[in-house]
Amino acid sequence: AQSVTQLDSHVSVSEGTPVLLRCNYSSSYSPSLFWYVQHPNKGLQLLLKYTSAATLVKGINGFEAEFKKSETSFHLTKPSAHMSDAAEYFCVVSVPTNSGYALNFGKGTSLLVTP
Amino acid sequence: KAGVTQTPRYLIKTRGQQVTLSCSPISGHRSVSWYQQTPGQGLQFLFEYFSETQRNKGNFPGRFSGRQFSNSRSEMNVSTLELGDSALYLCASSAEGDPIYGYTFGSGTRLTVV
Repeated sequence: AQSVTQLDSHVSVSEGTPVLLRCNYSSSYSPSLFWYVQHPNKGLQLLLKYTSAATLVKGINGFEAEFKKSETSFHLTKPSAHMSDAAEYFCVVSVPTNSGYALNFGKGTSLLVTP
Repeated sequence: KAGVTQTPRYLIKTRGQQVTLSCSPISGHRSVSWYQQTPGQGLQFLFEYFSETQRNKGNFPGRFSGRQFSNSRSEMNVSTLELGDSALYLCASSAEGDPIYGYTFGSGTRLTVV
């Protein structure tokens, strides 16, 4: 079964320092992977997606992620954290079903950015 | 273009009642998926509708049902509400329900069952 594991439930960084949110996936084939962000009391916003094209994916707000098949990882990075980046981040894999797809979400990583 | 619209934003219901939530997808999108988000279970897939037909279903009891109209708007219904149904319900809109096209989420409906 296709699934993702977010390795850290909480990450704390100082403003201006790099961000690394870790995600490992489990899939029997080349998966489609996403990172979504959720600010308090808001819905989910797509940061970036990987669908078998370039392995280094650039997203919005300076975020990027690299698909590494050998390590089954899809870690999210940003060179310099802003206070506005504080939110919950979800790594997501698309799972094929009998007649379509469903999304399997990781448990989430809460990013805290301190001044 | 307009995003995904979910109504209402907040609901408070009593145990045993039923509730209907609405999701209007992005214009032209034919796939609407529903997800339940709770602190304990995280985000879980409920079902997907595509061109007025339920195409996929997650592991939820039959009390959870839905439908999709010809304009792609979707409704989700929960009958005989239980305290554990308190959650944020999110819908996702997709052109074809294929990951290549991505998924756009609404802001959600927060349901509280008392």
